[in-house]
Amino acid sequence: NAGVTQTPKFRVLKTGQSMTLLCAQDMNHEYMYWYRQDPGMGLRLIHYSVGEGTTAKGEVPDGYNVSRLKKQNFLLGLESAAPSQTSVYFCASSYTGTNGYTFGSGTRLTVV
Amino acid sequence: AQSVTQLDSQVPVFEEAPVELRCNYSSSVSVYLFWYVQYPNQGLQLLLKYLSGSTLVKGINGFEAEFNKSQTSFHLRKPSVHISDTAEYFCAVRLNYGGSQGNLIFGKGTKLSVKP
Repeated sequence: NAGVTQTPKFRVLKTGQSMTLLCAQDMNHEYMYWYRQDPGMGLRLIHYSVGEGTTAKGEVPDGYNVSRLKKQNFLLGLESAAPSQTSVYFCASSYTGTNGYTFGSGTRLTVV
Repeated sequence: AQSVTQLDSQVPVFEEAPVELRCNYSSSVSVYLFWYVQYPNQGLQLLLKYLSGSTLVKGINGFEAEFNKSQTSFHLRKPSVHISDTAEYFCAVRLNYGGSQGNLIFGKGTKLSVKP
C-alpha cells in the first residue's frame, strides 16, 4: 500500500523559477489537501479539493495554483518562486471527515 | 473564528516519566478532535481521534486523550514515555456541520523531548 506519495522529496529553486509538486493517492479518497509547514507555525492549508475537477483556496493560497484533473492526483504549482515559499510541503487525503487525514512524507523546497 | 491552541511549544521530560500535552480549541459548532505525531523528517501519523461517545480515547503507542467539552480541551497523555516518543505532536480540530465537515485546523505543535 503506497498511501500518499509526494514527488519530489527535495528541490532547490532560484527566485522566479516555476515548478510543480505532485501528490498521488491510491486509496480512492475524495478529499485532497496541500499544506505548508514552517517552524513554529504548525501546518497551514494552501489549497484543497473535495473531488475530481474541483479546487478551493485555503488559508495561505497566494503564489500557488492547484489542479485535480484525476481523482488520484493533486498538483501544486508555483509560477514564480519566492524565498518566502521556502518550506516543507505536505499533501494529505481523506475519505470522509471522521477518518482524519493520511499524509505524504513531504517535499522540502528551498528557494534561493 | 475557530482555533486550536497548544499551550506548550516544547516539553522536556525524562524517560519513564508521565507526560501531558495540552490542547484547547474554540468553536461554535461541534467538533471532531485528532492528535497527530511527526517523527523527524517524516510526515504526520494519526495517533488517536475523538468523534463521539466515550470522552477517553486510546491511541497507538500507549497514548490516550480526554475530551472535555466544558473546558474545550483535548489533552494528550502517556503514563510512561520512551526515548522513541521524541517527536512533534499536533492537535487538530475538524468542525462538524451536521451533514458535512470542515477542513482540519492544526495547532502549532508541541515538541516532546524525552531524555535518558
